[in-house]
Amino acid sequence: GDSVTQTEGLVTLTEGLPVMLNCTYQTIYSNPFLFWYVQHLNESPRLLLKSFTDNKRTEHQGFHATLHKSSSSFHLQKSSAQLSDSALYYCALSNYNVLYFGSGTKLTVEP
Amino acid sequence: GGIITQTPKFLIGQEGQKLTLKCQQNFNHDTMYWYRQDSGKGLRLIYYSITENDLQKGDLSEGYDASREKKSSFSLTVTSAQKNEMAVFLCASSIMGTGGNERLFFGHGTKLSVL
Repeated sequence: GDSVTQTEGLVTLTEGLPVMLNCTYQTIYSNPFLFWYVQHLNESPRLLLKSFTDNKRTEHQGFHATLHKSSSSFHLQKSSAQLSDSALYYCALSNYNVLYFGSGTKLTVEP
Repeated sequence: GGIITQTPKFLIGQEGQKLTLKCQQNFNHDTMYWYRQDSGKGLRLIYYSITENDLQKGDLSEGYDASREKKSSFSLTVTSAQKNEMAVFLCASSIMGTGGNERLFFGHGTKLSVL
């Protein structure tokens, strides 16, 4: 079945360093939609960015990700981490009916 | 803009008790979802509904019932609460028919604790 794998449960970074959160997926569909959701403490998850197009970079609020169908990956990146980026990040896959979420990566940015 | 309201925000139950969580949305969205959030396990789908009176099981439906009484509301019932169970239940909604490009809007969650 469809699934999403986020290998890092916890990532701790120093402010100013680059961010990379890994996401790989499995699906039978040739044209999946991939999403990143972010959940700050005491808030509900909200959409950060999404992509459908192979090898096209998608950007939003300083974060970017590129869907690579050849490697089934959709890694989230940012050039310079900020304290306010500390949150729980979920990668998700749409199979045209529902969203399947990964287990999440908790990002902590320290001064 | 719209809002998703989940009630109650906190729910404390006893082992074996039947517990009901409610969700209302005013986006006029077709599809509604119930997800369970556990630390380290992500968001797991319990039930979803693509229209009024429709119900579809997710991967985690065992031990739960759901009801889509009308387009704006979707309730979830824990049929028999498990001792020491602790989780957050998130309700979400989206527009149907976008070919997989659904953006989910989430409520703030109901936090369940079972004594």
